[in-house]
Amino acid sequence: EAGVTQFPSHSVIEKGQTVTLRCDPISGHDNLYWYRRVMGKEIKFLLHFVKESKQDESGMPNNRFLAERTGGTYSTLKVQPAELEDSGVYFCASSQDLRQGEQYFGPGTRLTVT
Amino acid sequence: GESVGLHLPTLSVQEGDNSIINCAYSNSASDYFIWYKQESGKGPQFIIDIRSNMDKRQGQRVTVLLNKTVKHLSLQIAATQPGDSAVYFCAENIPGNQFYFGTGTSLTVIP
Repeated sequence: EAGVTQFPSHSVIEKGQTVTLRCDPISGHDNLYWYRRVMGKEIKFLLHFVKESKQDESGMPNNRFLAERTGGTYSTLKVQPAELEDSGVYFCASSQDLRQGEQYFGPGTRLTVT
Repeated sequence: GESVGLHLPTLSVQEGDNSIINCAYSNSASDYFIWYKQESGKGPQFIIDIRSNMDKRQGQRVTVLLNKTVKHLSLQIAATQPGDSAVYFCAENIPGNQFYFGTGTSLTVIP
């Protein structure tokens, strides 16, 4: 069974540009999560989809971040316009059972904003 | 917001010794906890979990201890191997809420 995949693995953009990150969860997993880790700090929750619906987006930093999950399969996270403080590693995770905590993480996308 | 903290950001152990990684959590309502291992270039991987109705849970070479009185969680790794070198995160969950992760402890195993 394929794991969670993320694309791209790395992205370097200039301040003010737009970047779109993609996550493909494990097939059949209704729950999809986005997290971010700024260097040396904790992994912070951004948002949670159940199928195509946003269950919890309380962690989204501001309106420069837009997440979508059309059709309830893959998800995209767009940052527009990017700021320096958006740099970090963006992880996606998926799970089958909402309450059971074993979330399967993707390898992450390392975003560098210069 | 919630905070899940780790007592030590780095830990070095000799190969073959036991490792103990600690984690403090702040919300007494948290009832589910997970330890993750993150190797370089990879995403966090589930190691072991524990629910608040338990004090101890054992896996293969790993044991998680939960002390609800002092809101403390620990991960014990027996006979630490070089492949155990990684960053370890604890995460807590309150029913119906998101998971909160700690900052991570970097474990280095010295051959």
